[in-house]
Amino acid sequence: NAGVTQTPKFQVLKTGQSMTLQCAQDMNHEYMSWYRQDPGMGLRLIHYSVGAGITDQGEVPNGYNVSRSTTEDFPLRLLSAAPSQTSVYFCASSWGSLNTDTQYFGPGTRLTVL
Amino acid sequence: AQSVSQHNHHVILSEAASLELGCNYSYGGTVNLFWYVQYPGQHLQLLLKYFSGDPLVKGIKGFEAEFIKSKFSFNLRKPSVQWSDTAEYFCAVNYGGSQGNLIFGKGTKLSVKP
Repeated sequence: NAGVTQTPKFQVLKTGQSMTLQCAQDMNHEYMSWYRQDPGMGLRLIHYSVGAGITDQGEVPNGYNVSRSTTEDFPLRLLSAAPSQTSVYFCASSWGSLNTDTQYFGPGTRLTVL
Repeated sequence: AQSVSQHNHHVILSEAASLELGCNYSYGGTVNLFWYVQYPGQHLQLLLKYFSGDPLVKGIKGFEAEFIKSKFSFNLRKPSVQWSDTAEYFCAVNYGGSQGNLIFGKGTKLSVKP
């Protein structure tokens, strides 16, 4: 199993550009989530999904959109990038609720917005 | 507001020294507690977790944590650290069971000198 994969690993955007961060898992997990990690801030939940077709907002959802058309994929879209979105983004998945079950994290995407 | 505090931003130890990393949470009700580790260049992975039962939890690689309800704490310990334990350690707390939110601490960077 590949586990949780993320692409790209690195990305540089200009302010106002849009892009999609890809996340896929091959463990048949129902729950998937997106976090951002900023220096001195820990991880903060952006959006999460409890199954295909179902998504919800986390702690810091503004500026991000998600969709979950399949169990395997959970892309994160930035519609109009801002410098405040410079961060490392992690995707995670779990069998059960992300709050009570072990989460499996992807390798991360380092995003810089100029 | 619900929060998780990791008191030490950066801890530097020599090999064979004992380790204790502090984690305190702010909520007095039912919580689920996690420690995740991020080794350099790698993604986060679970060290250990506590839901109920014996408050002394043993995890991978010789780590353990003790849940002290009266002190709202879940400190991580290891009797003798190795250079390979150099990593960033994150405490995470779920407030409110499966419907609640998972809050990460800001992380503690551990550097072990050979």
